[in-house]
Amino acid sequence: EDKVVQSPLSLVVHEGDTVTLNCSYEVTNFRSLLWYKQEKKAPTFLFMLTSSGIEKKSGRLSSILDKKELFSILNITATQTGDSAVYLCAVQIQGAQKLVFGQGTRLTINP
Amino acid sequence: NAGVTQTPKFQVLKTGQSMTLQCAQDMNHNSMYWYRQDPGMGLRLIYYSASEGTTDKGEVPNGYNVSRLNKREFSLRLESAAPSQTSVYFCASSEQGWVNEQYFGPGTRLTVT
Repeated sequence: EDKVVQSPLSLVVHEGDTVTLNCSYEVTNFRSLLWYKQEKKAPTFLFMLTSSGIEKKSGRLSSILDKKELFSILNITATQTGDSAVYLCAVQIQGAQKLVFGQGTRLTINP
Repeated sequence: NAGVTQTPKFQVLKTGQSMTLQCAQDMNHNSMYWYRQDPGMGLRLIYYSASEGTTDKGEVPNGYNVSRLNKREFSLRLESAAPSQTSVYFCASSEQGWVNEQYFGPGTRLTVT
């Protein structure tokens, strides 16, 4: 059974801290890994990763994939209260037109 | 350009009642999806439609039916609602399911009493 596991499930830090969110996966035929941010409503797309070792970066957020060890990390530097959200990791299965999601990490940034 | 829209935003049903959740996208996407989101469980795929005219079961299809009415619209029907179907339902679309990221609608919060 295809599985995506995120850790930690919940994280509370102070504004300005750096955080690392983890996503590990066990799937039959990996195609790509995606990160989403979910605030109050719909998840919004952050990154898509397909190749190992290549960092994707957007402002203070960055992500990298390790296809050998089957995991990805999402880093957020100099966190702000607006980064508070649930961060979802999802894996696309090769040949199957769908995503398998992890449980999400709830990140809370305190001022 | 509204993206993905869903109706209704909120709904309360009694056990055994039926209802249809509506979803439409205006991005000319081929693939559409229905997910449910329960606390601590992330998003679970109910049904998806890789292209107009096709539908397939996802991870948790029992108790649901879908219709891909045309390229724009994908509806989810609960024939006989159960309390276990209390959840937030998201519709999503993508250009091609296995190539591009999915865009999500705002969700429908459904409570079954």
